[in-house]
Amino acid sequence: RKEVEQDPGPFNVPEGATVAFNCTYSNSASQSFFWYRQDCRKEPKLLMSVYSSGNEDGRFTAQLNRASQYISLLIRDSKLSDSATYLCVVNLNTGGFKTIFGAGTRLFVKA
Amino acid sequence: NAGVTQTPKFQVLKTGQSMTLQCAQDMNHEYMSWYRQDPGMGLRLIHYSVGAGITDQGEVPNGYNVSRSTTEDFPLRLLSAAPSQTSVYFCASSYSPVGRVEANVLTFGAGSRLTVL
Repeated sequence: RKEVEQDPGPFNVPEGATVAFNCTYSNSASQSFFWYRQDCRKEPKLLMSVYSSGNEDGRFTAQLNRASQYISLLIRDSKLSDSATYLCVVNLNTGGFKTIFGAGTRLFVKA
Repeated sequence: NAGVTQTPKFQVLKTGQSMTLQCAQDMNHEYMSWYRQDPGMGLRLIHYSVGAGITDQGEVPNGYNVSRSTTEDFPLRLLSAAPSQTSVYFCASSYSPVGRVEANVLTFGAGSRLTVL
């Protein structure tokens, strides 16, 4: 089983739609959690950190459920510029310090 | 502020050749790491370092060497290139792999596209 699993998509949505991405992680000792965004042929960039109480940044909302080992990202009022791959990321601190990436979920927002 | 600088951006090698991918950061980050990204597989951790003189293996270390003689630099060496090492390589750094969440945020270089023939 992969340490971080995401639905690969692609998700094809119209502008203005709400879309949700899910991610599960296997190691209960995971310590910190993030969503990164990666545009085609570019490097990943931080979209938002994910806090235990959940957090919001404009149109983006992230949730963490430690009991279920589940992370989510909600995008409201999708824009064309949201088209990208969204990467679920987990920090492990057991027997080493590792940041593990999910394979990513591809989003296409269409006019 | 340059952030994370990777060189070269593109490289073509023949099987059996060796080369070094360079990575430098100017943010005084303790943690540095190398990933490779292949279609459908996401980013996989090759090697990482939590400070000068300290390195450790990630998920896919075979065929790669690293060293961390200074805080700023973390080169990745391909010892004898194979076609299976054709990939996009990313170097990334953060203040620390532990502690505050904000300190764990990775900053990436622009990537190095390697083709092994």
